[in-house]
Amino acid sequence: RKEVEQDPGPFNVPEGATVAFNCTYSNSASQSFFWYRQDCRKEPKLLMSVYSSGNEDGRFTAQLNRASQYISLLIRDSKLSDSATYLCVVNTGGFKTIFGAGTRLFVKA
Amino acid sequence: DARVTQTPRHKVTEMGQEVTMRCQPILGHNTVFWYRQTMMQGLELLAYFRNRAPLDDSGMPKDRFSAEMPDATLATLKIQPSEPRDSAVYFCASGPPGPLGADTQYFGPGTRLTVL
Repeated sequence: RKEVEQDPGPFNVPEGATVAFNCTYSNSASQSFFWYRQDCRKEPKLLMSVYSSGNEDGRFTAQLNRASQYISLLIRDSKLSDSATYLCVVNTGGFKTIFGAGTRLFVKA
Repeated sequence: DARVTQTPRHKVTEMGQEVTMRCQPILGHNTVFWYRQTMMQGLELLAYFRNRAPLDDSGMPKDRFSAEMPDATLATLKIQPSEPRDSAVYFCASGPPGPLGADTQYFGPGTRLTVL
């Protein structure tokens, strides 16, 4: 079993739709959690951190459920520019960060 | 706009040749990470440094890979000898001092390596 698992997708949604991604992690001692975004043939970029209390940044909402060991990302009012691969990232302690394989999102006009 | 730089951006080489990839972290950042990305395995952490000292390189094949930080402005990843299975995109990332060093990583554009 991989340490961080994501549904690879792809998710194909129309503009304006709401889409949600989930990610599960296996190490219960994991300390911090993030979502990164990666455009085709580009480097990953930090999208947002994930806190137990949940956090929101514009159209994006991230949530952490420690008891069930999963992380979620909700995108509201999808834009064409949201098309990308979304990577779930878990810090298992110190500086060791584990990336999920990513979920591909295509937003269509 | 401070960025992580990597050279070369593309490298095509033949099996058995030595490959050296270079990374210049963002000025002032003291944490450096090396990752490898392939379609099959996704992003894999190879090694990371803090204040130029290697903290963990357990993700790296020791027999052919080596990572160093000769100074605070340069990190290198070397493969000798290279094999076709090393073909991948190699990313370097840097993080700022303090507890956010691992949490906030800034990636370079990557080196796309093809070993024939």
